[in-house]
Amino acid sequence: DSGVTQTPKHLITATGQRVTLRCSPRSGDLSVYWYQQSLDQGLQFLIQYYNGEERAKGNILERFSAQQFPDLHSELNLSSLELGDSALYFCASSVITGETGNTIYFGEGSWLTVV
Amino acid sequence: AQSVAQPEDQVNVAEGNPLTVKCTYSVSGNPYLFWYVQYPNRGLQFLLKYITGDNLVKGSYGFEAEFNKSQTSFHLKKPSALVSDSALYFCAVRDMSTDTGRRALTFGSGTRLQVQP
Repeated sequence: DSGVTQTPKHLITATGQRVTLRCSPRSGDLSVYWYQQSLDQGLQFLIQYYNGEERAKGNILERFSAQQFPDLHSELNLSSLELGDSALYFCASSVITGETGNTIYFGEGSWLTVV
Repeated sequence: AQSVAQPEDQVNVAEGNPLTVKCTYSVSGNPYLFWYVQYPNRGLQFLLKYITGDNLVKGSYGFEAEFNKSQTSFHLKKPSALVSDSALYFCAVRDMSTDTGRRALTFGSGTRLQVQP
């Protein structure tokens, strides 16, 4: 158990709908990362938050957004869903110190199926 | 921008034999390299990392990785494979932006390891 908690584990929704994925980082971790894993795109970095602020953006679509709350949990919002958004969405967390070798720990993921 | 490449989609090895999963990297500056494993229907589990120092890094479940700067490689190894090692393995490199808050990982495409009994 990595200590990173993601809900829901599985989600089935229709095209055009909106869903929210939730993540609780490991205790003490200030940074949260979101990744998308699909068969054709592999593991893609979406976005990183650090202590409530967006810190880095990867291949995140404009239809997707995220935020990190004062209690450090994070939500990934996916809207106007398309079939191609079906994927496994991972949340991960790490401490951020001056040391660059901090390990990033991943949750079990949220399986999203768009039908 | 940093990147890693995993040239093999799949590696097959017999149980008890040594295994190697290959990874090469491209970074400007010193690399910070990681290996993760994904078992079926599970999340990514951290195996080991290279930050600096000894070129042979030891990690979880008997795995180790050899960092080779001249060949820009970071191959994952295990002396004796187990059937339970069958999984998807990812190599990753850390974002080394001067913004110290940016530390996301860039992953390779993954290598499926199949260990036959």
